[in-house]
Amino acid sequence: EAGVAQSPRYKIIEKRQSVAFWCNPISGHATLYWYQQILGQGPKLLIQFQNNGVVDDSQLPKDRFSAERLKGVDSTLKIQPAKLEDSAVYLCASSRTRLGETQYFGPGTRLLVL
Amino acid sequence: AQKVTQAQTEISVVEKEDVTLDCVYETRDTTYYLFWYKQPPSGELVFLIRRNSFDEQNEISGRYSWNFQKSTSSFNFTITASQVVDSAVYFCALSEARGGADGLTFGKGTHLIIQP
Repeated sequence: EAGVAQSPRYKIIEKRQSVAFWCNPISGHATLYWYQQILGQGPKLLIQFQNNGVVDDSQLPKDRFSAERLKGVDSTLKIQPAKLEDSAVYLCASSRTRLGETQYFGPGTRLLVL
Repeated sequence: AQKVTQAQTEISVVEKEDVTLDCVYETRDTTYYLFWYKQPPSGELVFLIRRNSFDEQNEISGRYSWNFQKSTSSFNFTITASQVVDSAVYFCALSEARGGADGLTFGKGTHLIIQP
């Protein structure tokens, strides 16, 4: 069974530019999550989807971050405009359901904002 | 609000020693889930174990064991006869699964260094 796929793996941009990350969850997983992991810290949840609907986006900085999962499978996370403090690893995870099931993580996208 | 505390920032031991990683959690819910993940230098988070709040039975998997104690809100992780390949950052995480929102709250992680 293929794991969670993410691209790109690395991205370097200038501040105020925009960037987008893509995630393809494990086949059949209805729930998809985006986390931000700043160096030296644990991951922090940004947004949770159930199929194509948002379950929790309370920690998403909505003035600059947006995410979508239009067909209930792949998801895209966008930052516009990027700030220096957005430098982090962006992790995508998926689970079969949203009842405390195990979340499986992708390899992440490492973003550096200069 | 839910919270996970991993007080040990870094632990360094010599290979073959036993080592315990501490995890203390806070939650208002009676139904919750606890997890441990391993993050090797490659960066990918690897799932190790999941426990629900109604199952306090300790678990052993090879050299790994977990001690869940609701009375002290702790979910500690022990590696027996540590090996160099165990070197990684280990995260404890909590999910309350409230209203279907079950995003994980992670601790800050414990960096485990196993010296040969």
